[in-house]
Amino acid sequence: GENVEQHPSTLSVQEGDSAVIKCTYSDSASNYFPWYKQELGKRPQLIIDIRSNVGEKKDQRIAVTLNKTAKHFSLHITETQPEDSAVYFCAENRGNQFYFGTGTSLTVIP
Amino acid sequence: DSGVTQTPKHLITATGQRVTLRCSPRSGDLSVYWYQQSLDQGLQFLIQYYNGEERAKGNILERFSAQQFPDLHSELNLSSLELGDSALYFCASSGALGRGGNEQFFGPGTRLTVL
Repeated sequence: GENVEQHPSTLSVQEGDSAVIKCTYSDSASNYFPWYKQELGKRPQLIIDIRSNVGEKKDQRIAVTLNKTAKHFSLHITETQPEDSAVYFCAENRGNQFYFGTGTSLTVIP
Repeated sequence: DSGVTQTPKHLITATGQRVTLRCSPRSGDLSVYWYQQSLDQGLQFLIQYYNGEERAKGNILERFSAQQFPDLHSELNLSSLELGDSALYFCASSGALGRGGNEQFFGPGTRLTVL
């Protein structure tokens, strides 16, 4: 299918624990993989991205890893906080289009 | 603030009607994308324009159409509206093609309610 596979669809973690969300894509020619955070009723906001020539990228508590051989990329959030609670979408830039995962609803329990 | 603007913020209309949603991309961005997000759903790509020309088409219904004007703003036209068209409609913009891996920035969305 066109959409990126994203797992899990829901994730609950205790505050301070880590959260990992994984996406699998299909086109080996895809070269850009952004992650978006969307709070209820608001716009998706880019939180981190990775390009195909890099295996890992980190920004404070957020990191993304890319495994081109297996065609998957993952979002890692460490030391989770209640304000991390939101829906997270991965996306794949394939040609002129962006294909989005189905979203992961993350709940951080205080 | 992403720099992408969308109007109106909310729109309530009746079945069978036609509406136009408007999007202004970030300054300098040539590409505009339209997405539909129904309740508890992911983002469904509808259509993309680049510098006034249609570049890619996704799951866009024949009742829907779009265009991008010379000043690069874009409009999404939805006609013969049905209850199932109620959704959040987002537009996003990105820079020039050919640079590979262009960041996409989303507008605040238009919430369409069809009664």
